Amino acid sequence: EVQLVESGGGLVQPGGSLRLSCAASGFTFSSYAMHWVRQAPGKGLEYVSAISSNGGSTYYANSVKGRFTISRDNSKNTLDLQMGSLRAEDMAVYYCARFLIRFGDVEGGFVDYWGQGTLVTVSS
Amino acid sequence: QSVLTQPPSVSGAPGQRVTISCTGSSSNIGAGYDVHWYQQLPGTAPKLLIYGNSNRPSGVPDRFSGSKSATSASLAITGLQAEDEADYYCQSYDSSLTHYVFGTGTKVTVL
Repeated sequence: EVQLVESGGGLVQPGGSLRLSCAASGFTFSSYAMHWVRQAPGKGLEYVSAISSNGGSTYYANSVKGRFTISRDNSKNTLDLQMGSLRAEDMAVYYCARFLIRFGDVEGGFVDYWGQGTLVTVSS
Repeated sequence: QSVLTQPPSVSGAPGQRVTISCTGSSSNIGAGYDVHWYQQLPGTAPKLLIYGNSNRPSGVPDRFSGSKSATSASLAITGLQAEDEADYYCQSYDSSLTHYVFGTGTKVTVL
């Protein structure tokens, strides 16, 4: 059974830092790209960051570029998101997501499994 | 603001059919990229509902169906049930943004 378990969320002051982690199990972690998707309170879904299966390629939304860093450890089956210079608008539930690319169709990829999410609150 | 636009809400009585549109442009749906749909029940994480425009993952009831045409896609729910009350999001790829995008989301209410 595929499981994605996030941790590391909590309350942080504006300008502060936080590190989110995602522990993956039930599948060959090193074979999949992984994404972080967030959802602000009462709002829709937003792609935040992504990393290729071998970690060699990364993506950041413009809203977090230069402040967040995504990384993975395929030996430990873990995905991390280091968040810095946090702002009020970063407050959201952050989901770890397994990304499926079928038949090499990268543009046709989608999230096939989601974690339960971890809440990041940015407030003084 | 997302490049994929959905109606904020749709509603229907139990047993009825409702449809949710996902309107894009020539840089996403109109470019031929696949559309996928997610269901988010209240207080829970999203769940994959439809992938590749019209395919249902194992375990998804056949009451849910997806279609795509030109620059838009649709999710249909037939035989609406109380448990279908949730938020629904479409997702595709946008060549101008060079990344994946979600739709604005639609709340389905069962009357």
